[in-house]
Amino acid sequence: QVQLVQSGAEVKKPGASMKVSCEASGYTFKSYYLHWVRQAPGQGLEWMGMINPIGGGTTYARKFQGRLTVTTNTPTTTVYLELSSLRSGDTAVYYCTRSIYDNSGHFDYWGQGTLVAVSS
Amino acid sequence: QSVLTQPPSASGTPGQRVSISCSGSTSNIGSNTVNWFQQLPGTAPKVLIFTNNQRPSGVPDRFSGSKSGTSASLAISGLQSEDEAIYYCAAWDDSLNGLVFGGGTNLTVL
Repeated sequence: QVQLVQSGAEVKKPGASMKVSCEASGYTFKSYYLHWVRQAPGQGLEWMGMINPIGGGTTYARKFQGRLTVTTNTPTTTVYLELSSLRSGDTAVYYCTRSIYDNSGHFDYWGQGTLVAVSS
Repeated sequence: QSVLTQPPSASGTPGQRVSISCSGSTSNIGSNTVNWFQQLPGTAPKVLIFTNNQRPSGVPDRFSGSKSGTSASLAISGLQSEDEAIYYCAAWDDSLNGLVFGGGTNLTVL
């Protein structure tokens, strides 16, 4: 069965960087785009960016350009989210999810979420 | 301020039919397909409707989606207590070159 399993919760200092992983299994890794979506406490969903596992091409939301890097490791079928220059507003649950088309928004499977708290 | 506009709350009694709206523009809903997600407290979102009106297997046919122009709607008939959740619409935005979500609608079953 399809699974997206994310790394555990983290606490970071302002100005630091974070790196969250998401290991995919149960399907052909290169057949789906992988996305990151975050949710601040008590807030709605926010799309951050995506990667095409074939070739590694990325698209990022304008808000995160310059701070966000999404990469994949095909042999381990893992996608990574790296966000730099963290501030308190980056405290959120970060989800990985997948879609078969890049711009469909049809996210059929989601990771369990990773809580990242940014605090001094 | 979300790019897609949803009412912050909705409510209904068991058995009733409720509808949740999602308003956008020509660059998102007007040009691309709409998806709806259900999020229960403390859990990851789950897709309810994709490509405007398609239901994944396992989603009851009480849930239906529609789209007209730059707006979309999610309808839930035969409301049940377990439908209490937050519902989000989402669509790709060609101008922003990214996916946009609505702000979410908190559905209460009275």
